[in-house]
Amino acid sequence: DTAVSQTPKYLVTQMGNDKSIKCEQNLGHDTMYWYKQDSKKFLKIMFSYNNKELIINETVPNRFSPKSPDKAHLNLHINSLELGDSAVYFCASSQIRLAGGRADTQYFGPGTRLTVL
Amino acid sequence: AQKITQTQPGMFVQEKEAVTLDCTYDTSDQSYGLFWYKQPSSGEMIFLIYQGSYDEQNATEGRYSLNFQKARKSANLVISASQLGDSAMYFCAMREGLDGQFYFGTGTSLTVIP
Repeated sequence: DTAVSQTPKYLVTQMGNDKSIKCEQNLGHDTMYWYKQDSKKFLKIMFSYNNKELIINETVPNRFSPKSPDKAHLNLHINSLELGDSAVYFCASSQIRLAGGRADTQYFGPGTRLTVL
Repeated sequence: AQKITQTQPGMFVQEKEAVTLDCTYDTSDQSYGLFWYKQPSSGEMIFLIYQGSYDEQNATEGRYSLNFQKARKSANLVISASQLGDSAMYFCAMREGLDGQFYFGTGTSLTVIP
């Protein structure tokens, strides 16, 4: 049973191309995230969606555009790819509760390794 | 200021020994959550353990325990009886605020020596 899935797992492309990464979760969570992990393993949040609405939009180039067709899906589209976009991109999901608790745990997808040549 | 600080970029431990991975956090919220994740060389992020700010007992999950010292704002991960499969990157994370934003530390690379 895959909780958070991402496709593709590997993506190799040329500079200047446009590509998309898809993410789906079957946990019934209402919040989904995109993270970028660089070569030094630093995890940086990019976007967060709650019930299809954008709630966190960190400083990322506007070449990156998230799209959430429903609360189980959060796709990441990247225009005009650059060498510096090479990284591992993780999708995650959680159930945000005002009272907090373990239910807030984020569960991650397997990651998509993007290589821009 | 960093929200999550992990001061040990790399740690080594002998197999079967215990090891403590340090994590300190910074928040003014009263309600927050602390998490540890493991990232083996295969790349996936695996949730290990959770500690809530109001939890009075330290969290434990099998060989993992979280040494929660609220006044010091520290949430160290203790791994008992280390195994070779514990070799991985370990990330400390915090959730704060109503929007539930997560903050991750820079990670600690643990190597278990046979």
